[in-house]
Amino acid sequence: GDSVTQMEGPVTLSEEAFLTINCTYTATGYPSLFWYVQYPGEGLQLLLKATKADDKGSNKGFEATYRKETTSFHLEKGSVQVSDSAVYFCALSDHGSSNTGKLIFGQGTTLQVKP
Amino acid sequence: KAGVTQTPRYLIKTRGQQVTLSCSPISGHRSVSWYQQTPGQGLQFLFEYFSETQRNKGNFPGRFSGRQFSNSRSEMNVSTLELGDSALYLCASSLAVGANTDTQYFGPGTRLTVL
Repeated sequence: GDSVTQMEGPVTLSEEAFLTINCTYTATGYPSLFWYVQYPGEGLQLLLKATKADDKGSNKGFEATYRKETTSFHLEKGSVQVSDSAVYFCALSDHGSSNTGKLIFGQGTTLQVKP
Repeated sequence: KAGVTQTPRYLIKTRGQQVTLSCSPISGHRSVSWYQQTPGQGLQFLFEYFSETQRNKGNFPGRFSGRQFSNSRSEMNVSTLELGDSALYLCASSLAVGANTDTQYFGPGTRLTVL
């Protein structure tokens, strides 16, 4: 079945460092790909999305490119801030094969940014 | 535009009891999905509703049920609570199901503790 795999955390960086969180997926259809962020005690916030191959999603300095050839959707940010400390989830929605919006999530990656 | 709202935010129950959680989607959204988040299992899909019909169901026992009303508001019910049902229950809404309409926006969640 469909699945999402994220890099193990936690990831600890200094402020202004470059961030990469790896995400790879397995899907039978044509998934949409998402990154969500969860701050302590809160629900999930949509960070960015991409709906087809080679699309680049971007928001608040974060970027991710839908790579069909490597089945990846890695999250990057050029300069992280302390306020970016949170848990990041990669997810897919394989609506094409089953006409459902069901999201399949990776296990989440905790990011801690130190001043 | 108001976001997804969930009530109550916190709930404490004892084993054997039942509980009902409520979700109001973003205005105009017709699809509602529910997810369970636990430290051990991560984010797992429970149900998906569209226009009062259950479109998809996750791999959970029959104690977990849900419904959607004509105004798109949704409720989920868990009967005969077990300790393992302690979790954050997240509701998400989207315009519809399918490419470019299935982006899900999450509420803050209901934290259920079973004693």
